[in-house]
Amino acid sequence: DVKVTQSSRYLVKRTGEKVFLECVQDMDHENMFWYRQDPGLGLRLIYFSYDVKMKEKGDIPEGYSVSREKKERFSLILESASTNQTSMYLCASSSEGLAASRGFGPGTRLTVL
Amino acid sequence: QKEVEQDPGPLSVPEGAIVSLNCTYSNSAFQYFMWYRQYSRKGPELLMYTYSSGNKEDGRFTAQVDKSSKYISLFIRDSQPSDSATYLCAYHSGGSNYKLTFGKGTLLTVNP
Repeated sequence: DVKVTQSSRYLVKRTGEKVFLECVQDMDHENMFWYRQDPGLGLRLIYFSYDVKMKEKGDIPEGYSVSREKKERFSLILESASTNQTSMYLCASSSEGLAASRGFGPGTRLTVL
Repeated sequence: QKEVEQDPGPLSVPEGAIVSLNCTYSNSAFQYFMWYRQYSRKGPELLMYTYSSGNKEDGRFTAQVDKSSKYISLFIRDSQPSDSATYLCAYHSGGSNYKLTFGKGTLLTVNP
């Protein structure tokens, strides 16, 4: 089974703070993803990485950046957190060309005050 | 027309009932069809995966795909309280395309 871990389950930050969300996968997957999940809006892709140091914007990249220095680790960065970034953040990974291999982490519930 | 439509529910059924969850889609490029289950405060987990029209069965779960009507269903037989979760349909167009398109999820509660 895919094992995806996220550094925090719950996080509370203040407006304007820089926030780092960390994700690690142990399946040697090429692809890693960051989603946010909000009631009524479903899962929305923020950023995607298909290789180390490679990234692509998803559907809602504004206000976020990412870093992938090692294959197993993918970080999501909120440069200056805002209240509208309060959400559940989900990391996922998958093997190249195998959509069904996509596994998700447990999520980080971020609250920005 | 939205790319994926999924009835958000909530859906509440008694234990032992047959549950039917449905999604429709508009993109003919979708080749692979998935159902994810998400328990409260957890990440989604893959439940069923299929790439052709017809039925696929796994225990109490059956995934049904009708490509001509662009319609997929998930049936749960003999539903249990442990099936209470949000169910998300997802689609993929195949190849190296990374994009999975998700429905917004249906919240199911199975009452003992």
